Amino acid sequence: NAGVTQTPKFQVLKTGQSMTLQCAQDMNHEYMSWYRQDPGMGLRLIHYSVGAGITDQGEVPNGYNVSRSTTEDFPLRLLSAAPSQTSVYFCASSYASGSGVTQYFGPGTRLLVL
Amino acid sequence: QQQVKQSPQSLIVQKGGISIINCAYENTAFDYFPWYQQFPGKGPALLIAIRPDVSEKKEGRFTISFNKSAKQFSLHIMDSQPGDSATYFCAAVGNAGNMLTFGGGTRLMVKP
Repeated sequence: NAGVTQTPKFQVLKTGQSMTLQCAQDMNHEYMSWYRQDPGMGLRLIHYSVGAGITDQGEVPNGYNVSRSTTEDFPLRLLSAAPSQTSVYFCASSYASGSGVTQYFGPGTRLLVL
Repeated sequence: QQQVKQSPQSLIVQKGGISIINCAYENTAFDYFPWYQQFPGKGPALLIAIRPDVSEKKEGRFTISFNKSAKQFSLHIMDSQPGDSATYFCAAVGNAGNMLTFGGGTRLMVKP
């Protein structure tokens, strides 16, 4: 079980460039989400998905797109990178049970936009 | 507007001491409150969680205290160890399709 995997680990972009952050999970979880982590801001939800073909916006969705064509994969696309998108990005998958929600995070992608 | 407010932002504790991190929430629809631990270069990992129908939950050296009327909850780390040095996040769940709303995080340093 690899859990949640993310690629790349680190990326440098120039303003205006586009890229896709990859995320995959092998736990057959229905729920997947993307967060960004900035100092003092905690983790803020960008987009989430409750199943294949279903996505919705989180707290900070502007400048990002997602799609969910399979249960396993949930890529995050930056349409036109801006310096304000410099951050660490975490993908997570989760399941809900009677005791609560257990969320598993990937190792993160550190993005620098120049 | 942060729906979950966490304090302090940073905390230094001597080995063997008690670390206390506090969180407050506004949304009464929240019904599940987990704490996550994050080491440098890693993703957050679930540490302990509580539902509002109990006032306290203990797992080893980690205890959550919950005050539903005050809409506050806290993490206590007893006998803190240098290996506990990490960033801790409180969170709340209750809306947005089982997604978590996180506090701002607390960077804990336990001095030997």
